[in-house]
Amino acid sequence: AQSVTQPDIHITVSEGASLELRCNYSYGATPYLFWYVQSPGQGLQLLLKYFSGDTLVQGIKGFEAEFKRSQSSFNLRKPSVHWSDAAEYFCAGVTGGGNKLTFGTGTQLKVEL
Amino acid sequence: EAQVTQNPRYLITVTGKKLTVTCSQNMNHEYMSWYRQDPGLGLRQIYYSMNVEVTDKGDVPEGYKVSRKEKRNFPLILESPSPNQTSLYFCASADSTSTDTQYFGPGTRLTVL
Repeated sequence: AQSVTQPDIHITVSEGASLELRCNYSYGATPYLFWYVQSPGQGLQLLLKYFSGDTLVQGIKGFEAEFKRSQSSFNLRKPSVHWSDAAEYFCAGVTGGGNKLTFGTGTQLKVEL
Repeated sequence: EAQVTQNPRYLITVTGKKLTVTCSQNMNHEYMSWYRQDPGLGLRQIYYSMNVEVTDKGDVPEGYKVSRKEKRNFPLILESPSPNQTSLYFCASADSTSTDTQYFGPGTRLTVL
């Protein structure tokens, strides 16, 4: 079955520190992959997406993610975290041309000042 | 401004009292979808619609109905709500040529007592 896994439920980092949120996928073929962010009381905002080509994708708010086929991973990174990055982050996947997004269970990010 | 709107944003109701959550988008998108978000489970798809008068079940359709009489609207209907439908609900829309890239509404927090 197609799935997306986020191993970390909660992560705490200090402001200014680097961040990496993990995402693993299980699909028969290479899926399209997404990272969304959900700030408290808000809907989901698309940070970035990977369809094909360059395996390092840049997104909004200074985020980037790297697709690694050998590890079935699509980890989200940011070099220096800001307090406003505290939110819940969701990884999602879909087969190419498909219409059913499968979401991971989310990672709650806390930023310590 | 391109957006997906949902009403109401918050709703407390009692078991068995029929309710409707409205969803509307102004982007002329063919594709629309409903998700529910529960702690530790991420987002799960309830129903989706590829176009007017075309709807299909998602992963968790039991206890829900939808209709798509107009392109812009996709209401979610709970004929007889139960406490296990207490959740945060999101509507999303997408262009039919790229249904993998979805735009989300702000969410509706439903409590069924």
